[in-house]
Amino acid sequence: GQQVMQIPQYQHVQEGEDFTTYCNSSTTLSNIQWYKQRPGGHPVFLIQLVKSGEVKKQKRLTFQFGEAKKNSSLHITATQTTDVGTYFCAGHTGNQFYFGTGTSLTVIP
Amino acid sequence: ETGVTQSPTHLIKTRGQQVTLRCSSQSGHNTVSWYQQALGQGPQFIFQYYREEENGRGNFPPRFSGLQFPNYSSELNVNALELDDSALYLCASGTGASEWTEAFFGQGTRLTVV
Repeated sequence: GQQVMQIPQYQHVQEGEDFTTYCNSSTTLSNIQWYKQRPGGHPVFLIQLVKSGEVKKQKRLTFQFGEAKKNSSLHITATQTTDVGTYFCAGHTGNQFYFGTGTSLTVIP
Repeated sequence: ETGVTQSPTHLIKTRGQQVTLRCSSQSGHNTVSWYQQALGQGPQFIFQYYREEENGRGNFPPRFSGLQFPNYSSELNVNALELDDSALYLCASGTGASEWTEAFFGQGTRLTVV
């Protein structure tokens, strides 16, 4: 069945280092969204990508949607302690919505 | 805050019982979706309602059912509770049936089945 996997599962970085999480789908997606969930909190929408090869930036965050619309990445430049949380990708295909397995980011001050 | 409210925040039920969880959507939103999030895992899509009709469903058994009301609030019903149903249940509201636009999540209901 449909799967959306993310790697790595966990990532520890020193404050100021960069961070990247990768999202891979077993099937082509119509679009992909990224969410951030803080410990004990609920997912918060970050961005949506729709077009093949699309790249969007939000300050220190760069989001990319693959040419085949089966993979995506989130890159954070110069991490800060406020970036701590779990980052999920979520893809839409047909009438289904699949969240990825998530990448938990820890930022060491 | 997202304007999406869920009740109750916490609930303990016994295996075999039935439970109803409620979600009040953000004003102006006509789509609501429900998710089950087990500890340490990503949210799993249960189903989505658009203008009171179910228009998407994940891989959950029929004992998971839902309703969306004319005011776009929603209920998730789970019958014959099993221990594995223990999880955080999240609802999210948005606009549009097929565009899958930004979803605004509520704080969730933590269900424990004993």
